[in-house]
Parts: sequence; C-alpha cells; structure tokens
Amino acid sequence: SQTIHQWPATLVQPVGSPLSLECTVEGTSNPNLYWYRQAAGRGLQLLFYSVGIGQISSEVPQNLSASRPQDRQFILSSKKLLLSDSGFYLCAWSVVPTGEKLFFGSGTQLSVL
Amino acid sequence: QKEVEQDPGPLSVPEGAIVSLNCTYSNSAFQYFMWYRQYSRKGPELLMYTYSSGNKEDGRFTAQVDKSSKYISLFIRDSQPSDSATYLCAMTEGSSYKLIFGSGTRLLVRP
Repeated sequence: SQTIHQWPATLVQPVGSPLSLECTVEGTSNPNLYWYRQAAGRGLQLLFYSVGIGQISSEVPQNLSASRPQDRQFILSSKKLLLSDSGFYLCAWSVVPTGEKLFFGSGTQLSVL
Repeated sequence: QKEVEQDPGPLSVPEGAIVSLNCTYSNSAFQYFMWYRQYSRKGPELLMYTYSSGNKEDGRFTAQVDKSSKYISLFIRDSQPSDSATYLCAMTEGSSYKLIFGSGTRLLVRP
C-alpha cells in the first residue's frame, strides 16, 4: 500500500533562517506531488505541484521554493523565512492520470519567531 | 466571491444526532467532489469521493451532490464523539491538478 512520510512534525525557526521540509512517498511510481499551506481556521492553499522529476509549478508567488530531485521525493525550501511563513504545511500525492484524489501527509507545524 | 463557500461552524451536536455539512460553489466546471476529515494538527483524510449528481453512501456517511444548484452535502448518521473534527469539502474540474478546498467546518459531537 502507498504511504507518505513528512517531517519534521513541528519546527520553530527564527526569522531570516533557511527552511527545508521533506516529503517522500512509498508504494507508487510517478505520483503527482503537492505542497499545501493551511493557516489557522482557513482552508488549504496550494503552493506547488509537480508532475515529474524536476517539474515544478508554482501557484502563489512567495518566499518559498520547491524541488523534486527524485520521483517520490518533494522538498519545500526557503532561503530566509518571514513571520508570514508560519503555518501548517502539508505534502500530498495523487495518482496519475486521474489526480482527483489527494492523499496527505501528517503535516509540519512551522512557527517563525 | 470565493469559488467554494463553507460555513466554518463550530457545529455542536449530541452523540447520535444526524449531522449535515454543506458547501456551495460557483464554478459549474467542477466535476469531482470530495470530503476530507481533519483532526487537530493532522493531515486531512479522504472520506468520500463523488463524481456525479446524486447520493453516495459509505457506512454512516452519505455524500450528496446537486450540480444544478452547485451544492454538496455530507451527512453523518449516528454521530460519535470520534467524529469530532474539521470537515473540508474539495472539488476540481478534473482536467486540472488543482483542488479547490472549502475553509472547513469544525464539528463537535458531545457525549
């Protein structure tokens, strides 16, 4: 069966520090991969999605970037964190080609202080 | 106007009650509709997935889609305290990789 791993679960970082969140999927090949952010009491905002290695689409211009160095690995990064980057970050995957059903990781709560 | 509207709640009901959760949407191109359940500080979990108008039942859960009214619902029968969570509706055109989520309804089932 397919599983998705996301870490760390909680992260506290100072303003201006770099960020790297990693996500890996097991049990499937060539999945679509996604990074979402969820602000408190709000819906999910799509940040990035990827349909293949090295292929990244950005939905919202911001202080973050994403990379997909391997088929089942998706990384969210920032060179310098802002206070506004705080939030709950979720990695997700979906099956190609349908793509409608998303399966989420357990999330990373990021606090930028 | 948001593409997907969802009452944030919180909705508080006694154990055993029937719960009705709803979303309205504005994009008539949406074809696929989903309900996710999210416990506090956890990732959303896919509960129901529907494509066509009508009802789909899975245990205590029933998903209903009315495309003519652009309205979807999730019914929970015999609600349990373990159903206490935030419920998110989501939808997509199908040709897009992008799901549009509602902001979620927080449900509290009182023992």
